Amino acid sequence: SQKIEQNSEALNIQEGKTATLTCNYTNYSPAYLQWYRQDPGRGPVFLLLIRENEKEKRKERLKVTFDTTLKQSLFHITASQPADSATYLCALAGDSNYQLIWGAGTKLIIKP
Amino acid sequence: GAVVSQHPSRVICKSGTSVKIECRSLDFQATTMFWYRQFPKQSLMLMATSNEGSKATYEQGVEKDKFLINHASLTLSTLTVTSAHPEDSSFYICSAPPVRGSTDTQYFGPGTRLTVL
Repeated sequence: SQKIEQNSEALNIQEGKTATLTCNYTNYSPAYLQWYRQDPGRGPVFLLLIRENEKEKRKERLKVTFDTTLKQSLFHITASQPADSATYLCALAGDSNYQLIWGAGTKLIIKP
Repeated sequence: GAVVSQHPSRVICKSGTSVKIECRSLDFQATTMFWYRQFPKQSLMLMATSNEGSKATYEQGVEKDKFLINHASLTLSTLTVTSAHPEDSSFYICSAPPVRGSTDTQYFGPGTRLTVL
């Protein structure tokens, strides 16, 4: 069965450093992968999408890589700020139209 | 970006009662909306796909008679939890893709916290 893994343990990063989050998947070849931010008690907010033929995507302080050989995506936040503290979810395109398969998310804590 | 709203944001109800949750796309038309459920520290679980003008498509294991979905217009989908029980307590989130036929970007509502006593 398709499986997505994100580090379940919270990631603590010092302000100003680069935070790197990992999303691994198995038994699967998604056409694209997305990253979302979710704050407590709120719905996810779309951040970035990267397609299977793209190695890297950037948006301001965010960078996403997609390695289809390793079946892994890395999500980087450079010059991290306390306001970046949230849970970050990865989601992969499913087999059918519209379907997204979600990871459980990694909680990121940026300490001042 | 596109905005999706949900109402109510929080609801507490007694066991056995029914609760209706609304999902609206505020500045775009959504022929399809998705309903998710999220338990603490778990991933979003797709419950059903709501289609304007036709029946909803439910995921395996989701009771369609318990979770009634009505997509009455291009901007409104409702989820009714019928005969709610404490195990139905969860965070319910809807989403809508602004571009028809694509999940390239999904816009999520703020979620509804349901607590069944």
